[in-house]
Amino acid sequence: GAVVSQHPSWVICKSGTSVKIECRSLDFQATTMFWYRQFPKQSLMLMATSNEGSKATYEQGVEKDKFLINHASLTLSTLTVTSAHPEDSSFYICSALGQVREARTDTQYFGPGTRLTVL
Amino acid sequence: GEDVEQSLFLSVREGDSSVINCTYTDSSSTYLYWYKQEPGAGLQLLTYIFSNMDMKQDQRLTVLLNKKDKHLSLRIADTQTGDSAIYFCAEFDNTDKLIFGTGTRLQVFP
Repeated sequence: GAVVSQHPSWVICKSGTSVKIECRSLDFQATTMFWYRQFPKQSLMLMATSNEGSKATYEQGVEKDKFLINHASLTLSTLTVTSAHPEDSSFYICSALGQVREARTDTQYFGPGTRLTVL
Repeated sequence: GEDVEQSLFLSVREGDSSVINCTYTDSSSTYLYWYKQEPGAGLQLLTYIFSNMDMKQDQRLTVLLNKKDKHLSLRIADTQTGDSAIYFCAEFDNTDKLIFGTGTRLQVFP
């Protein structure tokens, strides 16, 4: 079954509004979570690395005031797209680094993604 | 920086084997991964291989690793229409970030 969930799976919003996306690890504690963005027909682009209890580390070119990340607990990270514009429309995927059950190594487990459409 | 490359497209007939190739640049990678992405969905971890292995088999999937040439491949035996998807290889760079390839779109036709 799924080990990382995202909510919502699909969101449509008006330009200028803010949207919050949640990422939860279901069977394990994740000290590190990652947020990716995927443009159509392209690979994933890492946006930021989120560590529980500390500020997120953003990749070059990603506006931290635009994409607010909060990793408040070992099982929850949120990405808030502030003042969204049509160019922010994309597929946002989170992942959590950890070990599930019998796994002997840390692996990144990916959420199902959130499709954001900004009108 | 690190670079992971894949061919963009592969088309195979149902029942044949598919081989998806990947080249990478970071020789310090401990693990290399294969992910599957179905349309509109997030990535699904298919399999991974430890860098001191040269082959790993998991049911219909066979991963081959040539560390000298920094070449990774994924073979899918008896390919089915449900295998149609985009396949990404990935490696951790030296800062523990997962770097993805460009993805290979596999199309399986009857």
